[in-house]
Amino acid sequence: SQKIEQNSEALNIQEGKTATLTCNYTNYSPAYLQWYRQDPGRGPVFLLLIRENEKEKRKERLKVTFDTTLKQSLFHITASQPADSATYLCALKGSGGYQKVTFGIGTKLQVIP
Amino acid sequence: KAGVTQTPRYLIKTRGQQVTLSCSPISGHRSVSWYQQTPGQGLQFLFEYFSETQRNKGNFPGRFSGRQFSNSRSEMNVSTLELGDSALYLCASSLAGQNYEQYFGPGTRLTVT
Repeated sequence: SQKIEQNSEALNIQEGKTATLTCNYTNYSPAYLQWYRQDPGRGPVFLLLIRENEKEKRKERLKVTFDTTLKQSLFHITASQPADSATYLCALKGSGGYQKVTFGIGTKLQVIP
Repeated sequence: KAGVTQTPRYLIKTRGQQVTLSCSPISGHRSVSWYQQTPGQGLQFLFEYFSETQRNKGNFPGRFSGRQFSNSRSEMNVSTLELGDSALYLCASSLAGQNYEQYFGPGTRLTVT
């Protein structure tokens, strides 16, 4: 069955360092992959989308890589700040027809001042 | 531009009752998706509507239903509530109908006692 795995354990890093979050998937042929940020008690907020034929995408301090051979996406936040503390969700949409979007359970990031 | 709105924000119901949740998408967005979020399961896809038609459905029992109106507003209904239905219900709208970027509402927190 289709599966998306994110490290469900919290990730603690020091302010100023680069945070790297992982999203692995199995039994999936994604058309694209997205990353969202969710703060407690609020809905997720879209951050970045990367398509199956793209290797890397950047937006300000954010960088996403997508390796369809390894079936993995890495999400990087450079020069992390305490305000980056949140839960980060990856989401995949399958290719072909009207496919639903499937979310991972998310990784909680804590940036320590 | 106003964001996605959901009403009510909080709801307490008793087992066996039914509930209707409402979602107003961003103006111009024709696709609305619903998700259930619980701590253990993360975001689970319920269904997606586009131009009043259900295009996709998740693996939830028939007690969960939805609809979309001609103005793109959407409602979801849960009948015969069970304790396990307690969750945050999130609505997301998107422009292209292919869920490229989903804009989430704040959610409705449903508690079933």
